Amino acid sequence: QSALTQPRSVSGSPGQSVTISCTGTSSDVGGYNYVSWYQQHPDKAPKLMIYDVAKRPSEVPDRFSGSKSGNAASLTISGLQVEDEADYYCCSYVGSYTLLFGGGTKLTVL
Amino acid sequence: QLQLQESGPGLVKPSETLSLTCTVSGGSISSSSYYWGWIRQPPGKGLEWIGSIYYSGSISYTPSLRSRVTISVDTSTNQFSLKLTSVTAADTAVYYCARVARYSASTFDYWGQGTLVTVSS
Repeated sequence: QSALTQPRSVSGSPGQSVTISCTGTSSDVGGYNYVSWYQQHPDKAPKLMIYDVAKRPSEVPDRFSGSKSGNAASLTISGLQVEDEADYYCCSYVGSYTLLFGGGTKLTVL
Repeated sequence: QLQLQESGPGLVKPSETLSLTCTVSGGSISSSSYYWGWIRQPPGKGLEWIGSIYYSGSISYTPSLRSRVTISVDTSTNQFSLKLTSVTAADTAVYYCARVARYSASTFDYWGQGTLVTVSS
């Protein structure tokens, strides 16, 4: 199984919005509403930001939102802040109790 | 507050077996609502799901590692473990343990801090 496809990098200025895509197939992203997103700062463990495509843990700011269309999921961060600069990973259920991560996207806040 | 902590050797020789344990505190590993998983991250690279286990022993593994990996659970000690055989330099990575929501299949909601395992002679 190849990793889900994410852009290697995205960037934005403080206050702007950015969207990170996660593209798979009908056997993973497109087949289940079990896509999650993780934020990882350097030398830190990943942190859950979005689960079940669009649900947000209570401690995550509502600037973070998720969506899905067909075989692609997206993470949108609005009102960018400096502390949002990090790596972001998507993860999808692919059936038979197996999971697949995306290759990761580096977000730079200019 | 739930906490997970990985432990094990930080250096393993090529062809030998990598063994790690994850200790869960602040919650029961026997909860019916969660699986427990292992994820790894080679230096400078992305995350790779290794496998997950339910307290009853039900297990799933990533296809690429299935022939070399074993995950087990010990409810008496609130721990679960990872064994990876015949390691090579490609298995050098930070290894994380995490809790997986049973009814939200890709949701890792709590993570350990991670432990670096280097494969080298």
